[in-house]
Amino acid sequence: KAGVTQTPRYLIKTRGQQVTLSCSPISGHRSVSWYQQTPGQGLQFLFEYFSETQRNKGNFPGRFSGRQFSNSRSEMNVSTLELGDSALYLCASSLKSSGLYEQYFGPGTRLTVT
Amino acid sequence: TQLLEQSPQFLSIQEGENLTVYCNSSSVFSSLQWYRQEPGEGPVLLVTVVTGGEVKKLKRLTFQFGDARKDSSLHITAAQTGDTGLYLCAGEEYGNKLVFGAGTILRVKS
Repeated sequence: KAGVTQTPRYLIKTRGQQVTLSCSPISGHRSVSWYQQTPGQGLQFLFEYFSETQRNKGNFPGRFSGRQFSNSRSEMNVSTLELGDSALYLCASSLKSSGLYEQYFGPGTRLTVT
Repeated sequence: TQLLEQSPQFLSIQEGENLTVYCNSSSVFSSLQWYRQEPGEGPVLLVTVVTGGEVKKLKRLTFQFGDARKDSSLHITAAQTGDTGLYLCAGEEYGNKLVFGAGTILRVKS
């Protein structure tokens, strides 16, 4: 079974621009979560989508948004980029079974804002 | 949101030594997971513990969930250079949300 894939792997943007990141979950997984990872803040939860609906949301400004399509693929958008948005953005899919919520992560998209 | 404190933040040891990483919270989690992350990659799930007092072994790695389901530990016996990486604990809050600890950077020297 193929793992979680994320595109692109690396991205360089300029402050003020917007960016869209893509994530394809493991086949059969309907939950997709997004995380931001930085050296200073660690892994922080952005939001989770399940069956095209945002089910959970972290404490990030409205510039961060996402959506999920009917095939469970998900996109994350960041508008009006700031230097502090430079980070590794991780997508994770989950198949909640037997009461466990285990995350399977993709390799991430490294975003650099200059 | 509940908080998870991981310690130590950084560990540098010689190959063959044993080590323990701790993950503590004042809150109860429905499950606790451990991940390992290598540079340039996403975290990889190592184990999930669910029951208070549960102990799981994965080759040289031993994971324990505290009786009250508020804390966990990861013990590595006879560390190898391949164990080098960032170890993350994550607690599952009720409602399908994971809270991650800040991580422990482990460096095993040959």
